[in-house]
Amino acid sequence: DQQVKQNSPSLSVQEGRISILNCDYTNSMFDYFLWYKKYPAEGPTFLISISSIKDKNEDGRFTVFLNKSAKHLSLHIVPSQPGDSAVYFCAASVGTGTASKLTFGTGTRLQVTL
Amino acid sequence: DSGVTQTPKHLITATGQRVTLRCSPRSGDLSVYWYQQSLDQGLQFLIQYYNGEERAKGNILERFSAQQFPDLHSELNLSSLELGDSALYFCASSVADRGHEQFFGPGTRLTVL
Repeated sequence: DQQVKQNSPSLSVQEGRISILNCDYTNSMFDYFLWYKKYPAEGPTFLISISSIKDKNEDGRFTVFLNKSAKHLSLHIVPSQPGDSAVYFCAASVGTGTASKLTFGTGTRLQVTL
Repeated sequence: DSGVTQTPKHLITATGQRVTLRCSPRSGDLSVYWYQQSLDQGLQFLIQYYNGEERAKGNILERFSAQQFPDLHSELNLSSLELGDSALYFCASSVADRGHEQFFGPGTRLTVL
């Protein structure tokens, strides 16, 4: 049972344009959502997060939007840069304390072309 | 650099063998998490330890076990290895009250031949 789904395995975007990565979830108990970025041969790196009580969180070029009614979140990267080329994982957790565990999607490979 | 270290980086072994993966969390982090990433899959949560005690369990096989030591480093033991156990194994750590924000190590790539 895939509770967190990233239906697009890959995405190609031109440098300078907007990249939009999507994620859907099924578990209504999730109350915290995160995006991780992963380069080859490295561990995932925390990028940005959002609590379920918010619908938007912004950090520089990265913005995450949460639509709770649709159980959908998205990551917007504007403008996209070649260094953004990586695999992006959406993750969700129930609770934020010591017993949290993250449920990950399968990832979307973003390629930013010149 | 997340501050989480994992050794070894690569491990190649044969079916039926046993291996131990090691993780040192970021300084001050009390929670350690283990994840498995198989080919083209997302990360699957295996197990979590908090200050030496098991706190949460995911889809961890009975052949796998883990522990967290008094100095907070953790080891994941995989025994009776099968070909399907070949994967990337990641360790993550977090501060006590922010378990949803986890910092990942570089991973150990296990290949079972």
